Amino acid sequence: DIQLTQSPSFLSASVGDRVTITCRASQGIDKFLAWYHQKPGKAPKLLIYETSTLQSGVPSRFSGSGSGTEFTLTISSLQPEDFATYYCQQVKSYPHHFGQGTKLEI
Amino acid sequence: EVQLVESGGGVIQPGGSLRLSCAASGFTVSSNYMSWFRQAPGKGLEWVSNIYTSGDTHYADSVKGRFTTSRDISKNTLSLQMNSLRAEDTAVYYCVTLKTSGTWRYEYWGQGTLVTVSS
Repeated sequence: DIQLTQSPSFLSASVGDRVTITCRASQGIDKFLAWYHQKPGKAPKLLIYETSTLQSGVPSRFSGSGSGTEFTLTISSLQPEDFATYYCQQVKSYPHHFGQGTKLEI
Repeated sequence: EVQLVESGGGVIQPGGSLRLSCAASGFTVSSNYMSWFRQAPGKGLEWVSNIYTSGDTHYADSVKGRFTTSRDISKNTLSLQMNSLRAEDTAVYYCVTLKTSGTWRYEYWGQGTLVTVSS
């Protein structure tokens, strides 16, 4: 199975900050990586797929990059609604595991 | 507008069975790849199963042989039959659409239904 490790697990930031979350895969997954965020009590929401393609309706302050085994999600200027838990997920091969999550707090 | 509404969750004893349903609107379940995910309380996300338009299915090792995903074309619903339930199956279960044009992506998520396995 392909394992994903996110860093950091917790991140404190302020509105307007630029933040980056990293996701490392245990083996190469080309560009088959997606990012989600999830707010307490809500379903996850797809933000980015294929490493860097923004899902329809997602603000342009979100961006993704990387390939192979190292990937990043960047939020260029944090907004109040961005405080949530962020997950990466690989869709290269089954099982489609997620990273352990990064909780982004004010 | 795509909508997914899960139902069927509840409290069940270990070893018991439960069937979850996902009512879809805005699209046809049988014409799309569909998935189930789950999230244990306070934990991360776990992929459970996929069903293809062909009817082929794939399962996580943790549920293989115990869970079965199926579709009801007449009702436009997705189902998850869960047998031999264990305490570690306690989770919120989400029904999700899987878009496969281009790179696969899990696009639309239902609100989830809570399954609690406890004596």
